[in-house]
This record gives sequence, structure tokens and C-alpha cells, in this order.
Amino acid sequence: GQSLEQPSEVTAVEGAIVQINCTYQTSGFYGLSWYQQHDGGAPTFLSYNALDGLEETGRFSSFLSRSDSYGYLLLQELQMKDSASYFCAVRGSARQLTFGSGTQLTVLP
Amino acid sequence: GAGVSQSPRYKVTKRGQDVALRCDPISGHVSLYWYRQALGQGPEFLTYFNYEAQQDKSGLPNDRFSAERPEGSISTLTIQRTEQRDSAMYRCASSLDTDTQYFGPGTRLTVL
Repeated sequence: GQSLEQPSEVTAVEGAIVQINCTYQTSGFYGLSWYQQHDGGAPTFLSYNALDGLEETGRFSSFLSRSDSYGYLLLQELQMKDSASYFCAVRGSARQLTFGSGTQLTVLP
Repeated sequence: GAGVSQSPRYKVTKRGQDVALRCDPISGHVSLYWYRQALGQGPEFLTYFNYEAQQDKSGLPNDRFSAERPEGSISTLTIQRTEQRDSAMYRCASSLDTDTQYFGPGTRLTVL
């Protein structure tokens, strides 16, 4: 089976940097994805890491360490619109995703 | 450039009735996934299609749940003899066989 752990809530102020951690246990690992979901909205893709290291996309970066079964999402220059739930997800052999329970990020002015 | 669409957006049904949920993926996307999402939780994988072939149905909770994608485009998730525990948001996602999945707006199912 597969299981993922991530913090349930994170709070930060506008302009700050926040890191959301994700640890996973899986029988077969193909990669770690991150999705953002605003209240009432659909999950939207942010990033995918198959190999160790840092992937940067604008204000968002994602890191993976396969040996530690650990990854994180780094959000820089936080904006109010970044307030949302963030999910890490492990990719299966057919690209199906197993999601964590999500981290609710609140950005304060 | 339409995204993934799902219908109906809301479905209220009585316990014991059958429901059919429809997903219209992004044109040309070969992969289609069905997930179920409870409030405050991440999506839970149900089943996956590559073109018209159902490649993985390991996430379907029991034999009351079934899905099809007969022409490799639109997909239907059917729940027979609905129970209150089936109440959830049902989402589909499509992909060009890459690691980016595009999710639809979901169908909110309420079983009374």
C-alpha cells in the first residue's frame, strides 16, 4: 500500500516563504506530484518530481529525495491568492495518483 | 481549449437508486481517471482508462461501482443501488499520457 503524511495546516504572511513537507511510504515509487486546490475548485497541477533534486517553476519549487522518501513544496513571495489546500501525491505504475490528506495554507495580510 | 467537463454538477438521489456520472475529457487525451474526494481529504483513485481499455479498477470500492469508456473519449461512472456512504465529490481527470492530470469540476453526489 501507499501512505503519505503532510501537515494539516500552515499559516504565513504575505511576501513570506513557506515550505510544505511530504513524507511517503510506497511499495513502488515513480514520482511525487503536487496539486493546488482552492475552496470549491478542482485540483490543479503544480509540479512533478521523478528524480532527486529541485524543480523550479516561477514562485513555486518542489524538491524530492528518494532515499529519504521525502519531498517538499516551496512557495516564495506568498500572495493572498496562494491560500488554498496543497496535496502531495505519489504516482503509480499507470500514473494513477495516491494523494495525501492535504495542507491548508492560509496567507495573512 | 475546453477543459474537462462533468455532468451533472450536482446529483441528489435516494438510497437504492442507480446513478450515472459523465466525464468529457480534454480532446485528444488518451488517459482518463476517476477519483472520489471526501470533504477535507485528497482525491482517492477509483479507476483508470487508456483509450477505451480499463487498465486499473483496483480503487473501485465494491461491485456496485463500474465505469466504461466505450469509444475512448467520454466516460461514465455508474453506481448501482446507491448507499448514503457513497455521498462524495466524484472527479475525473484526463491526461495526454504524461504526469500532468487535468481535473474536472466534479459531480457532487448526495444520497438521501
